Amino acid sequence: AQSVTQPDIHITVSEGASLELRCNYSYGATPYLFWYVQSPGQGLQLLLKYFSGDTLVQGIKGFEAEFKRSQSSFNLRKPSVHWSDAAEYFCAVGVGSGNTGKLIFGQGTTLQVKP
Amino acid sequence: GAVVSQHPSWVICKSGTSVKIECRSLDFQATTMFWYRQFPKQSLMLMATSNEGSKATYEQGVEKDKFLINHASLTLSTLTVTSAHPEDSSFYICSASRPGQGAYGYTFGSGTRLTVV
Repeated sequence: AQSVTQPDIHITVSEGASLELRCNYSYGATPYLFWYVQSPGQGLQLLLKYFSGDTLVQGIKGFEAEFKRSQSSFNLRKPSVHWSDAAEYFCAVGVGSGNTGKLIFGQGTTLQVKP
Repeated sequence: GAVVSQHPSWVICKSGTSVKIECRSLDFQATTMFWYRQFPKQSLMLMATSNEGSKATYEQGVEKDKFLINHASLTLSTLTVTSAHPEDSSFYICSASRPGQGAYGYTFGSGTRLTVV
């Protein structure tokens, strides 16, 4: 069955430090992979997505993610974290056809940023 | 940009009553909408896929008679929690499939916080 695992429930980093959020997926075919961010009490905003091609994907807000098939991973990175990046981050895998396919989400990682 | 509006943003209801949550795509037509449920500090769990003009497709374990979904137009889907109980308290989020955005071009609403007392 398809699944997404985010091993880190909570991460704290200092402002200006680099960030890496881990994501592992389980999916039989070539995966469609996503990272979303959720601010408290809000919906989700898409940061970036991977469908095919270059395994290093650039997103909004200075985020990037690298797809590693051999490790079944799609880790999110940012070289320098800003206080406004504090939020909940979700990794997801898309299952099914594109316009009606389902998103399977990981458990989420809460990012706290220290001043 | 594409906007999906959910109403209300929060609601408190008494146990045993029903409550309706609306999900509207404000500037595009959405043939498909999705409803998710999110418990505090947990992931989003897909409840059902809502298709305009047809019955919703519910995920395994979701009670279709309790969570009624109607997608009567291309811009509106509603989720009605019937005979609500405290365990139905949760954060409900919808998303809509936006045409022309390619695969998985979904826009999420801001969510509805339901508290059943």
